[in-house]
Amino acid sequence: QVQVVQSGAEVKKPGSSVKISCKASGGTDSSYAISWVRQVPGQGLEWMGGIIPVVGSANWAQKFQGRVTITADDSTSTVYMDLRNLRYEDTATYYCARSPPFCSTVSCYARLSNWGQGTLVTVSS
Amino acid sequence: IQMTQSPSTLSASVGDRVTITCRASQSISTWLAWYQQKPGKAPKILIYKASRLEGGVPSRFSGSGSGTEFTLTISSLEPDDFATYYCLQYNSYSPELTFGGGTTVEIK
Repeated sequence: QVQVVQSGAEVKKPGSSVKISCKASGGTDSSYAISWVRQVPGQGLEWMGGIIPVVGSANWAQKFQGRVTITADDSTSTVYMDLRNLRYEDTATYYCARSPPFCSTVSCYARLSNWGQGTLVTVSS
Repeated sequence: IQMTQSPSTLSASVGDRVTITCRASQSISTWLAWYQQKPGKAPKILIYKASRLEGGVPSRFSGSGSGTEFTLTISSLEPDDFATYYCLQYNSYSPELTFGGGTTVEIK
């Protein structure tokens, strides 16, 4: 059974960066897609970007162009999301989520069957 | 691509048939998924590729549509179904996904 575990809560100052890790364990396949989704308190879901670790290439929403980097360490089944130049409005819960096994095309960014527990990032001075 | 979800809130009773709609600002073929989210929890996938039921999801959930208009139907609402539902589109021309604004299904 695949489990997705994220790193813990963070408190950051405006202008700084945060790097969240996401480790998928329990799966026997290496071909899957990972999406990062965030949720500002009391608001809806927002897709930030994703990566297909076996391919290594990442995609991200235009809104985060220049501020987000998504990388994968296939040897440890860990994906990282780095968000730079943090603003107060980046305060949110950040989720990583994985596609089912052997679903490793870009369309699999939308088929997210296993989710992490969420990482609360608070941006505060 | 913008996704317009309606209604934003829906009041219903156990046993009701419930329909939620998502409209895309341009055609997305059948590249649409539906998620359920309960307060304080991560979302859970229900439907992918517009009409395919994800494994383990009860058959009272169904999805339909293609192009720009999509629906999620719950055939007979159960107590566990009171939650917020989101659609998520994927456009094959540009790998940038967009969620709808969400529909909260509340107890009438």
